[in-house]
Amino acid sequence: DTGVSQDPRHKITKRGQNVTFRCDPISEHNRLYWYRQTLGQGPEFLTYFQNEAQLEKSRLLSDRFSAERPKGSFSTLEIQRTEQGDSAMYLCASSLADPGLQYFGPGTRLLVL
Amino acid sequence: ILNVEQSPQSLHVQEGDSTNFTCSFPSSNFYALHWYRWETAKSPEALFVMTLNGDEKKKGRISATLNTKEGYSYLYIKGSQPEDSATYLCALTGQAAGNKLTFGGGTRVLVKP
Repeated sequence: DTGVSQDPRHKITKRGQNVTFRCDPISEHNRLYWYRQTLGQGPEFLTYFQNEAQLEKSRLLSDRFSAERPKGSFSTLEIQRTEQGDSAMYLCASSLADPGLQYFGPGTRLLVL
Repeated sequence: ILNVEQSPQSLHVQEGDSTNFTCSFPSSNFYALHWYRWETAKSPEALFVMTLNGDEKKKGRISATLNTKEGYSYLYIKGSQPEDSATYLCALTGQAAGNKLTFGGGTRVLVKP
């Protein structure tokens, strides 16, 4: 399978713990995006990378959130000191050109207890 | 801030019937319009990306039209089948958006056998 993959698919954690999610994009795609989707809403943009450079961060991304794409391939999204409001589906997508189609992974569903 | 709206939020369709639903967006800040299909427990699947006023795209029994002057897009499903049951998301890329997607809330379609 050469699509976008995400790991883990599900994560349950206690409030205050740190969590890290991984996204592996389609190999030739230079753009990588993170979105968050809460129940009943469409996905909301969090941040995106072109190669290893993080070009934009949403105001939704508090200081507890950090994303990296160190070698321009896979990316990680870390949430520190999780809160119950962080419970959501975290989606990763990758693309080639602008305004090329973005291809999504299956998401990581986070539940903070 | 881009405001993308989809209607209806949900609809039930009898197998074999055709249906359509709407995505509306601010016409003054348009770059590209994307449609996705999202089935439960799967990745959102890219259907179309449209950039030009009057664009029409087709994929099997699904088609989409775009009117950038009045700020709307329609998605049509012809002869609905149970496998068409999914949430259909539209997303906008604005002129200064850096290719990030701003999603509507989705239309949840349930096709009844």
